[in-house]
Amino acid sequence: EIVMTQSPATLSVSPGERATLSCRASQSVSSNLAWYQQKPGQAPRLLIYGASTRATGIPARFSGSGSGTEFTLTISSLQSEDFAVYYCQQYNNWPPVYTFGQGTKLEIK
Amino acid sequence: EVQLVESGGGLVQPGGSLRLSCAASGFTFSSYWMSWVRQAPGKGLEWVANIKQDGSEKYYVDSVKGRFTISRDNAKNSLYLQMNSLRAEDTAVYYCALSITMIPVYFDYWGQGTLVTVSS
Repeated sequence: EIVMTQSPATLSVSPGERATLSCRASQSVSSNLAWYQQKPGQAPRLLIYGASTRATGIPARFSGSGSGTEFTLTISSLQSEDFAVYYCQQYNNWPPVYTFGQGTKLEIK
Repeated sequence: EVQLVESGGGLVQPGGSLRLSCAASGFTFSSYWMSWVRQAPGKGLEWVANIKQDGSEKYYVDSVKGRFTISRDNAKNSLYLQMNSLRAEDTAVYYCALSITMIPVYFDYWGQGTLVTVSS
């Protein structure tokens, strides 16, 4: 099983500043990595797939990078609506047995 | 507009059974793999199972193998999760999720979830 590890567990950032979230895979997943945003009481929302491609309707302030085992989600200028929990997910396996990271909570500083 | 609406959650005793349903609309249901993802209270996301377009392939996370069965009815645009021998650790919100690609990858769309509570 591929284990996904996110860091930090909690990140405190002020509105308008940049946030950088990390995700590490226990073995290479190539670029088969997605990022999701989840707000309290809501379902997750797809932000990024293919490590760096924004999903439909996702603002340009969200960007993803990395390949292999190290990945980063960057939010360039935090808006109030961006404070949430973020998860990474790898989808490199076949058969399709997928794993998520444990999440990073992005909170207002 | 893609819609996924889960139902069937509730309180069940350990060792009991429950069947979850997901009603799909706004897309050609029979064309895509479908998945279940769960989230224990205050915890992260865990992929549970997925099923191929025609139901011929099904995969499960190890912790539910032999206890849960995923199925679908393309004529009714519905996805199901039969959960047997339920344990306290199965307590979670269960989401129906869709990958709009020919193979299951990331999840483009999610339902609102249905809560399953396993407790005596």
